[in-house]
Amino acid sequence: GENVEQHPSTLSVQEGDSAVIKCTYSDSASNYFPWYKQELGKGPQLIIDIRSNVGEKKDQRIAVTLNKTAKHFSLHITETQPEDSAVYFCAAPGGTSYGKLTFGQGTILTVHP
Amino acid sequence: DVKVTQSSRYLVKRTGEKVFLECVQDMDHENMFWYRQDPGLGLRLIYFSYDVKMKEKGDIPEGYSVSREKKERFSLILESASTNQTSMYLCASSLLRRNTEAFFGQGTRLTVV
Repeated sequence: GENVEQHPSTLSVQEGDSAVIKCTYSDSASNYFPWYKQELGKGPQLIIDIRSNVGEKKDQRIAVTLNKTAKHFSLHITETQPEDSAVYFCAAPGGTSYGKLTFGQGTILTVHP
Repeated sequence: DVKVTQSSRYLVKRTGEKVFLECVQDMDHENMFWYRQDPGLGLRLIYFSYDVKMKEKGDIPEGYSVSREKKERFSLILESASTNQTSMYLCASSLLRRNTEAFFGQGTRLTVV
């Protein structure tokens, strides 16, 4: 099955700085790579995803890059704000059942004002 | 507004009790999932279901069972609760297709004493 490794486990930045979270995956059949944000007391929510036919995708201050050869993908947050503080999870589907995702270990991002 | 609702936010149960965690979704999704969230381990899949009365084991099914009698409802059952099952439990649902968003409930914090 799919194995997803996520780093770092914690990340602390000053407001306005950039933050980068990296993930690697094992199953070359994976072709969809979502990122979820979990705020305190809530369930994870999709913030951005990328499919294997593109190398980069941006949505305002967040972007995701994908390197299929190296089997890694990254989340980039620019101009961080205190409300970006949350737990972030990457995920990959592997080549198995439709809709099933394997998640990384999570990154606790703290943005200091 | 799409919704996945878990019946309890917090539960405290005694060792050996049979515990039921309930989840309901209103999006007519085929897939439903139960994840367990522990610090440093991310989201680990316990069981999932892609249709009524259908179920498949995830990565950590031991000590758990599930029930899906209606499309909108998916129950997680701890047959005999143990202290190592103290955790955050998250329910999610999605369409039965590739590369699709998963929608999560708010989570149930279960403590087994």
